[in-house]
Amino acid sequence: DVKVTQSSRYLVKRTGEKVFLECVQDMDHENMFWYRQDPGLGLRLIYFSYDVKMKEKGDIPEGYSVSREKKERFSLILESASTNQTSMYLCASSGLARVGQFFGPGTRLTVL
Amino acid sequence: SQQGEEDPQALSIQEGENATMNCSYKTSINNLQWYRQNSGRGLVHLILIRSNEREKHSGRLRVTLDTSKKSSSLLITASRAADTASYFCATDGGTSYGKLTFGQGTILTVHP
Repeated sequence: DVKVTQSSRYLVKRTGEKVFLECVQDMDHENMFWYRQDPGLGLRLIYFSYDVKMKEKGDIPEGYSVSREKKERFSLILESASTNQTSMYLCASSGLARVGQFFGPGTRLTVL
Repeated sequence: SQQGEEDPQALSIQEGENATMNCSYKTSINNLQWYRQNSGRGLVHLILIRSNEREKHSGRLRVTLDTSKKSSSLLITASRAADTASYFCATDGGTSYGKLTFGQGTILTVHP
């Protein structure tokens, strides 16, 4: 069974902390994506990666960075967490065939 | 930017009834996809329809696509309580690496 896993289901951090969200996929997919989901705003793309060490900004990259050192792993980094980054974070992956994205279960991050 | 607009925002029906959700988009697409999200979880890919297709079926799901009107609909026949979820359309513009733009979703509640 194909799988995308995220390191935490729930996370509580303090303002100013550096936060790492990890995502791992076991499908040998080239493309990986980070979204945030907020009520009334739907899913918004933060960053995506199409190959190891390659990344591109999505619609709302400000305040975030990413790292992809291995094909299966894509990390989202909040350099200095702020309260407006409280959200549900969803990771997804897809292959070259463009037949849809596979999502992880999500990480609900609260920044106090 | 959110390309898809979904209608209605919320839909409440009885078990056994059909549920229809609509999605409109603004720019040309390579394909359009529908996803389901159970409360607090990740998204699950349901069905994909390509720009040269007009209708597609998968089990109790029927998707139509009208590229001249830039709209799509998802029909779930003989709804069950387990169909209660949020449903999102997502468009693949055929540009970067399978990047998707999501609508804001329809919340479907199926009452037993």
